[in-house]
Amino acid sequence: QVQLQESGPGLVNPSQTLSLTCTVSGASISRGTYYWTWIRQPPGKGLEYLGRIYTTGIIDYNPALKSRVTISGDASKNQFSLNLNSVTAADAAVYYCARNVLRYFDFWGQGTLVTVSS
Amino acid sequence: SYDLTQPPSVSVSPGQTASITCFGDDLGDKYVSWYQQKPGQSPMLVIYQDVKRPSGIPERFSGSNSGNTATLTISGTQTVDEAEYFCQIWDSSFAVFGGGTKLTVL
Repeated sequence: QVQLQESGPGLVNPSQTLSLTCTVSGASISRGTYYWTWIRQPPGKGLEYLGRIYTTGIIDYNPALKSRVTISGDASKNQFSLNLNSVTAADAAVYYCARNVLRYFDFWGQGTLVTVSS
Repeated sequence: SYDLTQPPSVSVSPGQTASITCFGDDLGDKYVSWYQQKPGQSPMLVIYQDVKRPSGIPERFSGSNSGNTATLTISGTQTVDEAEYFCQIWDSSFAVFGGGTKLTVL
């Protein structure tokens, strides 16, 4: 069974960088035809795709956030990470990591809530 | 950017059929996925590639997609189906989600 677990600070200061890590078990982020993805959900709102990294290291980003988002992978730890810089209150959300196969997301992490406040 | 429009809410009586729609330009030309999300939980895939059900999803969940409209249908709706439902497609190289529909079973 594939499992994903997000980790990282729950509180980030405005204008600083939000950094999260997703640890994957039951699958390898460097093998197979999968993308490893970040998605967020502001409280009480809908889902927003942030970006993804393929097993070969190819990365796609949501064009709306591309200038602030960086996704990277560490195959040795079977983890992938999200960095979002220059955060504002609008970036407060539950951040999910998920596995993307073809055009859908079949496994999701439990999500981690990030608050932006000084 | 591509927009997916869902009704904010749908109500259904237990045992009846619930239909949740998702509208988008030429949506029938794209593969649509549907996710169920209960309060405090992460989304769960219930339909992919328009009509397919992942293992473990009850047969009462079905999907269709034609023209500008995709529909998630829940036959014989149960109280456990009360949740928010999101449709999703790929536009170029990134995912787009609908705004979500809150399904109330009462």
